[in-house]
Amino acid sequence: SQQGEEDPQALSIQEGENATMNCSYKTSINNLQWYRQNSGRGLVHLILIRSNEREKHSGRLRVTLDTSKKSSSLLITASRAADTASYFCATALIYNQGGKLIFGQGTELSVKP
Amino acid sequence: EPEVTQTPSHQVTQMGQEVILRCVPISNHLYFYWYRQILGQKVEFLVSFYNNEISEKSEIFDDQFSVERPDGSNFTLKIRSTKLEDSAMYFCASSGAGSFSEAFFGQGTRLTVV
Repeated sequence: SQQGEEDPQALSIQEGENATMNCSYKTSINNLQWYRQNSGRGLVHLILIRSNEREKHSGRLRVTLDTSKKSSSLLITASRAADTASYFCATALIYNQGGKLIFGQGTELSVKP
Repeated sequence: EPEVTQTPSHQVTQMGQEVILRCVPISNHLYFYWYRQILGQKVEFLVSFYNNEISEKSEIFDDQFSVERPDGSNFTLKIRSTKLEDSAMYFCASSGAGSFSEAFFGQGTRLTVV
């Protein structure tokens, strides 16, 4: 499988529910970043978690990182219709000094009002 | 809040023509990137640029592509002799003090080759 795979590919929930998206990767990383993309629009940076961190919070977002399992999760609590978007994880490899990011396929989140 | 800006937002070009996509990265950032996203697919790395030279490029970034930082603010991607398969959303990004910092993306240029 590829560096940066998200699951599920699509997730549909009701407003107010929590949404959890997972990302797995193969190669050792320096950091992992989560992005949101509204349909046909740009990538909005959500959060960066470094390889020596296990959990980070930003507002309604909670990101965890388990380097032993090479996986990360993004939790959006109390979801809103405006959270409807595609969510991508992107990894910065430990040996790559140039800052290149490798993106996963993304999870398409639909939050129904 | 500082942001990465890209122009144009949409470009339509004839196959075989040259296009230049323009980006203004965040002003105090040192690392610059181009990525592309073919419709319905994932975002792919094209090239990274630091200290006025390419630091890494992908297999996609062949001789058809070139990048330039012509002045202190702009960062351009030139695609020579465009092909139908070059149709995609092209994103510029920049990151700050270290290559391992947050990368901020522009809104993208949708390139359509006809």
